[in-house]
Amino acid sequence: QKEVEQDPGPLSVPEGAIVSLNCTYSNSAFQYFMWYRQYSRKGPELLMYTYSSGNKEDGRFTAQVDKSSKYISLFIRDSQPSDSATYLCAISGSARQLTFGSGTQLTVLP
Amino acid sequence: GAVVSQHPSWVICKSGTSVKIECRSLDFQATTMFWYRQFPKQSLMLMATSNEGSKATYEQGVEKDKFLINHASLTLSTLTVTSAHPEDSSFYICSARDPSSTITGAKNIQYFGAGTRLSVL
Repeated sequence: QKEVEQDPGPLSVPEGAIVSLNCTYSNSAFQYFMWYRQYSRKGPELLMYTYSSGNKEDGRFTAQVDKSSKYISLFIRDSQPSDSATYLCAISGSARQLTFGSGTQLTVLP
Repeated sequence: GAVVSQHPSWVICKSGTSVKIECRSLDFQATTMFWYRQFPKQSLMLMATSNEGSKATYEQGVEKDKFLINHASLTLSTLTVTSAHPEDSSFYICSARDPSSTITGAKNIQYFGAGTRLSVL
């Protein structure tokens, strides 16, 4: 079993839709949770960081963490074609190395 | 925010030559930097952890004599692909942590460069 599981998609939605991206993890020692966005042939860009269970909102993006279920989510409201990218969850513990999900490829259709 | 610059963005070289990729933290001092390799439609694969002033730590299966890493200053790490072959063609990405961050756990965040596409002919 991988330490972090992420549905690779691809996921295709119409413009304006709410997008839900998810990851599950197996190690309860993981404490810090990140979402990165990666455009084709570019480096990952940090979108959201959180370290506690619950929701964190930033503009159209909401990160949700449920440590009891070892489940994290990223919601994108009012999705735009410019949101089309690969989204990577990344999780870290005390060792500070990041463990990445496999990435979900998202396409938002105009 | 923390900015990491990576250069060059794309390099084409002949088989047998060496290529150097630079990774710089522009607005913070990075004691630790990371080098990743990414194949098309796959996630990032950690190659090595680069620590300022000491030897890099390589992941299992990564040839340290082929992928030379130098982290001579707090803002610069370099990856040299020696005697490159077509199978080394890939997308290489560096990242750095900002040790000065005071937000809980934020020292775990890695900030990534834009990546370098290496094509070996």
